[in-house]
Amino acid sequence: GDSVTQMEGPVTLSEEAFLTINCTYTATGYPSLFWYVQYPGEGLQLLLKATKADDKGSNKGFEATYRKETTSFHLEKGSVQVSDSAVYFCALRYWGNQGGKLIFGQGTELSVKP
Amino acid sequence: DTEVTQTPKHLVMGMTNKKSLKCEQHMGHRAMYWYKQKAKKPPELMFVYSYEKLSINESVPSRFSPECPNSSLLNLHLHALQPEDSALYLCASSQEATGSNQPQHFGDGTRLSIL
Repeated sequence: GDSVTQMEGPVTLSEEAFLTINCTYTATGYPSLFWYVQYPGEGLQLLLKATKADDKGSNKGFEATYRKETTSFHLEKGSVQVSDSAVYFCALRYWGNQGGKLIFGQGTELSVKP
Repeated sequence: DTEVTQTPKHLVMGMTNKKSLKCEQHMGHRAMYWYKQKAKKPPELMFVYSYEKLSINESVPSRFSPECPNSSLLNLHLHALQPEDSALYLCASSQEATGSNQPQHFGDGTRLSIL
């Protein structure tokens, strides 16, 4: 079945460090891919998306490129801030997916220290 | 600011109480969703409404009863809940439920505690 696999956390970085959170997927169709972020005590916010192969999503300094050949959608940021501390979820959704379900990865907790 | 509004933000209730969670969106979306989320885990889908009709029930116990009064509103009625039902309940909406690659937009959730 369809699935999303993320690197396990927690990930702890110092401020201004480079961030990569790995995400790979398996899907029978041609999914759109998303990164959601959940700050402490809040709901999920859409961080970025990509709807087809080679698309690059970007927002707030975060980037991810839809790589069909490696079935990956890794999240990157060049210089993290303390305010980026949150849980990050990779997710997929595709045409014809019953109910338009979002398939989530297990989440990666990021902690950024000053 | 989130475009999906959920009330209340926090709810504490006993196992014999009846309460309701409310969700509202004004983005013209035709699909709305209820999710349950435990701490630091991904959300688990409970119900999907498409054009105000229930299209998916993910085998949710009958003590949870969803209702969609109109295209902008979604309720979740709660009765005789168990302690394991304590969680964050998230509402989401999207343009369509099927045949769409558009994202779902989430509210901030209701944090529910069952005594």
